[in-house]
Amino acid sequence: EVQLVESGGGLVQPGGSLRLSCAASGFTFSDHYMDWVRQAPGKGLEWVGRTRNKANSYTTEYAASVKGRFTISRDDSKNSLYLQMNSLKTEDTAVYYCARGTLGYCSGGSCVYYFDYWGQGTLVTVSS
Amino acid sequence: SYVLTQPPSVSVAPGQTARITCGGNNIGSKSVHWYQQKPGQAPVLVVYDDSDRPSGIPERFSGSNSGNTATLTISRVEAGDEADYYCQVWDSSSDHPVVFGTGTKVTVL
Repeated sequence: EVQLVESGGGLVQPGGSLRLSCAASGFTFSDHYMDWVRQAPGKGLEWVGRTRNKANSYTTEYAASVKGRFTISRDDSKNSLYLQMNSLKTEDTAVYYCARGTLGYCSGGSCVYYFDYWGQGTLVTVSS
Repeated sequence: SYVLTQPPSVSVAPGQTARITCGGNNIGSKSVHWYQQKPGQAPVLVVYDDSDRPSGIPERFSGSNSGNTATLTISRVEAGDEADYYCQVWDSSSDHPVVFGTGTKVTVL
């Protein structure tokens, strides 16, 4: 059974830092892209960023709203995904989900890429 | 960046059919995925690649995609289908490759 379990959320002051973790089990972690998606209170889903798998050199991509402040990393030996969040702002307050990305075929510049498993989320509150 | 627009809410009586739209420029050329999210829970994938269902998702959930609109259809709606629904695509042309729709709250009357 695939499981994703986030941890590390909490209350942090503006300008502070926090590191989230996501422990994966039930699948070959190193084969998969892994993403972070967040949801502000009462709002919709917002993609935060992604790390590709080893076959794709673990490259990362980020949403413009977090680029330069957030860093995604992974440790395949520990089946773990991380999100280092620096220079936090009040607007970063959200539930943060890790999600397993599944990349299908690509055609005409468009790819099939979706999230087939999600963690339960961890709440990050940025407030003074 | 690419924008996906959904109606904020859809209301449907039990046993009837709910249709949730997801509008985007030439979305028919992209692969669309749909997620169901119940209050306090993580999203669940219900349709991927326009019209495929993951294992365990009832056949009542179906999808289509053409032109500028993708649609998630829920047939024979049940009380347990009440949730928020989000569409999602990959947009390789932008620096924000994963895009979610604005979300639709489905209310079962």
